[in-house]
Amino acid sequence: DIVVIQSPDSLAVSLGERATINCKSSQSVLDSSNNENYLHWYQHKPGQPPKLLIYWASIRASGVPDRFSGSGSGTDFTLTISSLQAEDVAVYYCQQYYTAPPTFGQGTNLEIK
Amino acid sequence: QVQLVQSGAEEKKPGASVKLSCKTSGYDFTARYIHWLRQAPGQGLEWLGWINPGSGDTKYSQKFQGRVTVTRDTSMRTAYMELTGLTSDDTAFYHCSTDPGSRSFDPWGQGTLVTVSS
Repeated sequence: DIVVIQSPDSLAVSLGERATINCKSSQSVLDSSNNENYLHWYQHKPGQPPKLLIYWASIRASGVPDRFSGSGSGTDFTLTISSLQAEDVAVYYCQQYYTAPPTFGQGTNLEIK
Repeated sequence: QVQLVQSGAEEKKPGASVKLSCKTSGYDFTARYIHWLRQAPGQGLEWLGWINPGSGDTKYSQKFQGRVTVTRDTSMRTAYMELTGLTSDDTAFYHCSTDPGSRSFDPWGQGTLVTVSS
């Protein structure tokens, strides 16, 4: 199975500041046949199901604010929130599905400083 | 829009089985694989398996092979997940979700809490 590790485990950022979460996979998740990285990002708030934020490493899902962006390729990826808002407090997960089984990072708990 | 509505919370004894449902709407039921995932208290997200609603083909995580069965009723636009041989380690929120074509999970059902306790 592909192992996905996020860093940091928790993060406290001031309102309006940038938040950066990293994700590293144990092998490349880049499909050379279509040049897509099968790495996705989710936001999980208490009492709600997880919500897809970013798919294929850098494409925002429908309705996701443009302060959220994803980057990276191969084995190293980053989720960036350009200007943290109060409603962004959540746990963030990355997930790979280059090969089955799909696997998730351990999560990053994002709080307001 | 695509919606997934799951059945209600379950309480089971160790050794029992549970069967959860996931009713879908807002899209062609046969066009998206349906996946089942879970999150135990204080733990991360874990994938159990998928079903191709069009063909009925399934694939399961090796961890749950032999204990999990995913089925569907196309007339009801509903998928089901049965987990047998429950232990306290199976206490978790169980979610269904669809793959919109990117091998991601979107959207997710609201989740069903399964509690296993003697």
